Amino acid sequence: DTAVSQTPKYLVTQMGNDKSIKCEQNLGHDTMYWYKQDSKKFLKIMFSYNNKELIINETVPNRFSPKSPDKAHLNLHINSLELGDSAVYFCASSSPPRGRNTGELFFGEGSRLTVL
Amino acid sequence: GQNIDQPTEMTATEGAIVQINCTYQTSGFNGLFWYQQHAGEAPTFLSYNVLDGLEEKGRFSSFLSRSKGYSYLLLKELQMKDSASYLCAVVDSNYQLIWGAGTKLIIKP
Repeated sequence: DTAVSQTPKYLVTQMGNDKSIKCEQNLGHDTMYWYKQDSKKFLKIMFSYNNKELIINETVPNRFSPKSPDKAHLNLHINSLELGDSAVYFCASSSPPRGRNTGELFFGEGSRLTVL
Repeated sequence: GQNIDQPTEMTATEGAIVQINCTYQTSGFNGLFWYQQHAGEAPTFLSYNVLDGLEEKGRFSSFLSRSKGYSYLLLKELQMKDSASYLCAVVDSNYQLIWGAGTKLIIKP
């Protein structure tokens, strides 16, 4: 069973298009995240959702919109794609640190977006 | 501002030992993570330190000094499969994760 799964794994599209990436976790975690990793390999937080409430939105253009239908899903919708949006997008989930749980993030396999 | 520094790239020999350093300046501290990321794959959890000292887990150990804002990841008996990027991340006072840019470790035979 895959703990955090995201689809599609690869996405090639033209500038100006709209696309979505889906993410699901079966770990029962309270918080889900979207990260962007660019060619320099720097992981940048985009959004996180805790029990369907947005709790982080780090200077991300409003062309990006997260949608969480329930605690186990956090989808990423991108409007009017630009060349600079090309990157790998990682979904992740975690639960609060408690006892032996360190609160570490569990990542999906990543979705490589290429905008032409 | 908040800052995490780690070397961009390191090279080591199979069977040897390597130490990857991480220094941080953050608004508060609630723990430090090390993650491993192989090329084209997702980051995976390696270790977590919240108290000073050394945490050992098999061939990997992680050390923390909160007073110095410093951590290192020690990898022993290096194997070719250890070639990867190693990411340091600090939990700040708001429980937000601040990520370093990662250290690319190249293992040579």
